[in-house]
Amino acid sequence: AQSVTQLDSQVPVFEEAPVELRCNYSSSVSVYLFWYVQYPNQGLQLLLKYLSGSTLVESINGFEAEFNKSQTSFHLRKPSVHISDTAEYFCAVSAASYDKVIFGPGTSLSVIP
Amino acid sequence: DVKVTQSSRYLVKRTGEKVFLECVQDMDHENMFWYRQDPGLGLRLIYFSYDVKMKEKGDIPEGYSVSREKKERFSLILESASTNQTSMYLCASRPGDRGNSPLHFGNGTRLTVT
Repeated sequence: AQSVTQLDSQVPVFEEAPVELRCNYSSSVSVYLFWYVQYPNQGLQLLLKYLSGSTLVESINGFEAEFNKSQTSFHLRKPSVHISDTAEYFCAVSAASYDKVIFGPGTSLSVIP
Repeated sequence: DVKVTQSSRYLVKRTGEKVFLECVQDMDHENMFWYRQDPGLGLRLIYFSYDVKMKEKGDIPEGYSVSREKKERFSLILESASTNQTSMYLCASRPGDRGNSPLHFGNGTRLTVT
């Protein structure tokens, strides 16, 4: 079975500062990894995904995540955050062999002006 | 664009009532999922379905059942609603291609059981 840990439940950060949201997973099989974002009063949407190949994955709005197989991590980073990045961020894992998708508890990012 | 539609945005039900939450997707996806979202707990998988009439229990299936009679529709049923089932319920779908496609979510149904 898979599980996902997001150690930071809340992360406050000043505007234009860098941020890292941590995600660790456990699985006995190969997995695909995802980050989803939920803006206030909106539904969840995909931010980025790691399937295979390069360990560094980028999204269109400046976020990036690095897959580290030895540390079973998939941390999300952004070098300079904006007010509009205030949201809940969820890490998720999907086994390559079947269809279950498991989410972490989420990290609430608050960007302070 | 994939559209996942949940029939109700808000629902208020009484303890003991039978509750139906409906979800429809328009992209012919094989896989459909029901999650509940609670503060501090993230999204927890209740049930998922990988084909018509097929279902698998997720991590918290107790008190819930599901129905998938048609490919596009996946219903969540609370046989006898209880106050601890007050939550945000999210439906999602994706193609059945061995796990590498992202989920597409509906806007959610906020259920209050009094």
